[in-house]
Amino acid sequence: NAGVTQTPKFQVLKTGQSMTLQCAQDMNHEYMSWYRQDPGMGLRLIHYSVGAGITDQGEVPNGYNVSRSTTEDFPLRLLSAAPSQTSVYFCASSYGQGRLINEQFFGPGTRLTVL
Amino acid sequence: GENVGLHLPTLSVQEGDNSIINCAYSNSASDYFIWYKQESGKGPQFIIDIRSNMDKRQGQRVTVLLNKTVKHLSLQIAATQPGDSAVYFCAENILWGLSEGAQKLVFGQGTRLTINP
Repeated sequence: NAGVTQTPKFQVLKTGQSMTLQCAQDMNHEYMSWYRQDPGMGLRLIHYSVGAGITDQGEVPNGYNVSRSTTEDFPLRLLSAAPSQTSVYFCASSYGQGRLINEQFFGPGTRLTVL
Repeated sequence: GENVGLHLPTLSVQEGDNSIINCAYSNSASDYFIWYKQESGKGPQFIIDIRSNMDKRQGQRVTVLLNKTVKHLSLQIAATQPGDSAVYFCAENILWGLSEGAQKLVFGQGTRLTINP
């Protein structure tokens, strides 16, 4: 299994540009999520999905959209990039058993810089 | 409010010594906790977890202790090795949002563990 994969690894955008960060997992996990990590801080939840066709907002959703058309893929879209979105983005997935996340598997991250 | 924090932002230990990383949480309804290790340039890696019906759980060279009375979590690493150098995060699992079954992990800020030879 490849686990959780993310592309691209690095990206530089200009303010106002849009782009999509890709995330895929091959473990048949129902629960997927996107986090951002800023220097010296822990991870903050952007959006999450408890299954195909279901998404919901996390702590810091503004400026981002997600969709979950398949179990495997969970792309994150930046609508109009801003310097405040410069960060490292992590995608994660896990089995879902009711309200318990259980172990989350993280991807390698995408380092995004917005100029 | 929701707050998962760490008592110490950095910890330096001698190789071979035991390391103890502490974490405080404020949500008394949290029932599941995880410790993650993050090496430079990589995503967080699961180390060990514990549910609120337990006080202690042991893994390979690691032990997690949970004190629900004072809402405190700790990670103990035995015989610390150079490969243990990383940032360690505690996270608590709480219900979140509108979707049935929705949960989120609230992460602490992390403790950087450095190993002295």
